[in-house]
Parts: sequence; C-alpha cells; structure tokens
Amino acid sequence: KAGVTQTPRYLIKTRGQQVTLSCSPISGHRSVSWYQQTPGQGLQFLFEYFSETQRNKGNFPGRFSGRQFSNSRSEMNVSTLELGDSALYLCASRRGQSGETQYFGPGTRLLVL
Amino acid sequence: AQSVSQHNHHVILSEAASLELGCNYSYGGTVNLFWYVQYPGQHLQLLLKYFSGDPLVKGIKGFEAEFIKSKFSFNLRKPSVQWSDTAEYFCAVNSNTNAGKSTFGDGTTLTVKP
Repeated sequence: KAGVTQTPRYLIKTRGQQVTLSCSPISGHRSVSWYQQTPGQGLQFLFEYFSETQRNKGNFPGRFSGRQFSNSRSEMNVSTLELGDSALYLCASRRGQSGETQYFGPGTRLLVL
Repeated sequence: AQSVSQHNHHVILSEAASLELGCNYSYGGTVNLFWYVQYPGQHLQLLLKYFSGDPLVKGIKGFEAEFIKSKFSFNLRKPSVQWSDTAEYFCAVNSNTNAGKSTFGDGTTLTVKP
C-alpha cells in the first residue's frame, strides 16, 4: 500500500508570494491533518480535514488555509508569505474513525526568502 | 490546553547502553499516546502507540513504553541501543474525539556513538 505522498518536496518562495502544497493520503483514509515543523516551535497542528470538511484548526493566522477534495486529497495554501513561514510542512492521514494512528508523509520543505 | 513535555533535548549514548526517554503530558480526558521517530532525512515513523489495555506496549526495533496514568507519563525505553537508533524521537498525544489533532513534544535528539 502506498504511503502518504506530498508534493512538491522542496519549494523556494519570496516574501509576499503565496504557495499551495498538496497531500495524497493513504488509499481508504478520509482524514488528513497538516502540521508545521520548525526548529524553534517543533511540530504544531495546523488543521484537519475529514470528508471535505475542516474538523479542527490550530492557532495559525488566516493566511493559512486548506481544503480537501472528494477523493480525500488535500491542499494547504499560505498567502502573503513571511520569512517565519519557512518550515517543513507535514501531512498525516488516517481512516477517520476514533482512536487511530496518523501516518505521516515526507513533508514539503518551504524556504521563504 | 493539552501539552507534552519531553525532558531531554539531546541524549548521547554509546552502543549497547540502555535508553529511557521521558515524556509527560497534560490532557483532560482519555488519551492516546504515541512515540514517533524521525531518522535523518526521513519522515516521521510510528514506533509504538498506546490506546488502552496493557500499559506496557512494545513497538518496532526493540522499543517499548510504559503508560503510568497516575504520573501522566509515557516513557520510551530500549535495553540496548544501536548506532542506527540515532534519530529524533517525538512523544505525542491525542484523544479519541480528536484523533486527527495530535500535540507533540519538542523532541529528543538521540546520538549513539559506535
């Protein structure tokens, strides 16, 4: 079974631009969560989508948004990029039932110059 | 608000030494607990998990963890580490009603000297 895939793997943007990251969950998984990983803040929860609906949202500004499609693939968008948005963005999927394990993708490393 | 605290930021051991990494959590209600490992250049992988039942859980690669509810702890152990265990280790917690929203500790970097 293929794991969680994320594209692109690496991205360089400049301040003020916007970026869209993509995540394809494991087949059959309906829940997709996004996390931001930085050396200073560690792993922080961004949001979770389940059946195309946002289920949970972390403490990030409105510049961070996401969506989920009917095939469970998810995208996250960051508008008006700031230097501090440089991070590894991780996507995790699970079937969507309670008490389950999240499986993580390799991440997209975003560098904002 | 939930939180996870990992006591050691960086641990250095020699091969064959025993390992114990501390993890304490603050969370209201029933919790699910996890240890993840991130090898250099690789993605987060699940080492082991606790949902319910036997508080001593065994994971991959000889790792185990013990859930002590009274101490809000979920410490990771391995009797004899190998050079290949060099990695960053993360403790995480979520609940059944919020299983898609995990709270992670800051991570512990383990360096094993050959």
